Amino acid sequence: DVKVTQSSRYLVKRTGEKVFLECVQDMDHENMFWYRQDPGLGLRLIYFSYDVKMKEKGDIPEGYSVSREKKERFSLILESASTNQTSMYLCASTQGGQGLHEQYFGPGTRLTVT
Amino acid sequence: LAKTTQPISMDSYEGQEVNITCSHNNIATNDYITWYQQFPSQGPRFIIQGYKTKVTNEVASLFIPADRKSSTLSLPRVSLSDTAVYYCLVGDYTGANNLFFGTGTRLTVIP
Repeated sequence: DVKVTQSSRYLVKRTGEKVFLECVQDMDHENMFWYRQDPGLGLRLIYFSYDVKMKEKGDIPEGYSVSREKKERFSLILESASTNQTSMYLCASTQGGQGLHEQYFGPGTRLTVT
Repeated sequence: LAKTTQPISMDSYEGQEVNITCSHNNIATNDYITWYQQFPSQGPRFIIQGYKTKVTNEVASLFIPADRKSSTLSLPRVSLSDTAVYYCLVGDYTGANNLFFGTGTRLTVIP
């Protein structure tokens, strides 16, 4: 079974703190994703990585950065957390190649910024 | 760019067939259509994927008309455990700007 794990299920941080969200997948997938999910807005893509050290901005990259130093690990960084970044964050991975392969999601991290 | 539109919510009685439609008027030639199911406090889970015509697996069917500007997820004889949010995803992995999740349809199955 493919497994995507996220470092925390729940996280509470203060405004201005630097926040790291970690995601690890165990299926040697090329592609990894970070989404945020808010009521009424569905899933919105923050960043996409298609290889180690490679990344592309998604729909809402402002206020976020990412790091992919190893194939299995994709980190989302909030340089200076703000209250409007309170949300559910979901990581996903999928194999590479042409087409729209199945994305495997982690359980999510619910981040609260106070 | 293929944006998607889905109904916000639907109700259905147990045992009925449910059809959820996703509109994607600007779908590109290389784009695929995938549907995901999400239960509370969990990440989305893949249900079915198609490119054109009809695809069927053990849990659902996906109908895609010839113009591919919409798609319909069909769930046969729903049960209470099918209560979830269903998302339509259109695109491919050639780039981040080619992936679009809909806002999801909240399906409630009523006993």
